[in-house]
Amino acid sequence: SYELTQPPSVSVSPGQTASITCSGDKLGDKYACWYQQKPGQSPVVLIYQDNKRPSGIPERFSGSKSGNTATLTISGTQAMDEADYYCQAWDSSVVFGGGTKLTVL
Amino acid sequence: EMQVVESGGGLVKPGGSLRLSCKASGFPFSNAWMSWVRQAPGRGLEWVGRIKRKTDGGTIDYAAPVKGRFTISRDDSKDTLFLQMDSLITEDTAVYYCVKRGSWYMDVWGKGATVTVSS
Repeated sequence: SYELTQPPSVSVSPGQTASITCSGDKLGDKYACWYQQKPGQSPVVLIYQDNKRPSGIPERFSGSKSGNTATLTISGTQAMDEADYYCQAWDSSVVFGGGTKLTVL
Repeated sequence: EMQVVESGGGLVKPGGSLRLSCKASGFPFSNAWMSWVRQAPGRGLEWVGRIKRKTDGGTIDYAAPVKGRFTISRDDSKDTLFLQMDSLITEDTAVYYCVKRGSWYMDVWGKGATVTVSS
């Protein structure tokens, strides 16, 4: 089955830039989405089609992809950005990465 | 406002059954591809299965861990999605989210229904 791999955790200082990667076989041929989930809440989409932001998502969230690795970048990270982040792609089914816990130190 | 609301969660013994419902509002439910996504305690998101809209054949797909035990269905006349869960095992303990697929991403998530499988 198709798999997406994310680092379990990333730490960042307030105001700095955080990068979270997501890699998968032939991910370069698929679109990646990114979701943010805060404790006790449902996931919210941040990025779709690799680098597009839905309306209402702050500009500090951006997405990119190089080869088979997609990256979520958070510029000027704020304390409120501390959350779990998941990448997602479509294969024959819906596939989520294992999630990355972002800690803002 | 587009919204989905899950119901039917609870405590069930291993080997038992449970049926979740998901009531949709604020969008044309019959046009939507709908999924169930679950999250075990302290774990990540796991796709459970999906049902396409009838005009796309109404095809239903399942993740390997639940195939043969779970059944997804829909009642477009009632804007409701269902998840019938049989032969439950402790590993099925999770929050189950009803999710609508938009054009490019999963755009409407419910608050989730908690299912606990324990003796």
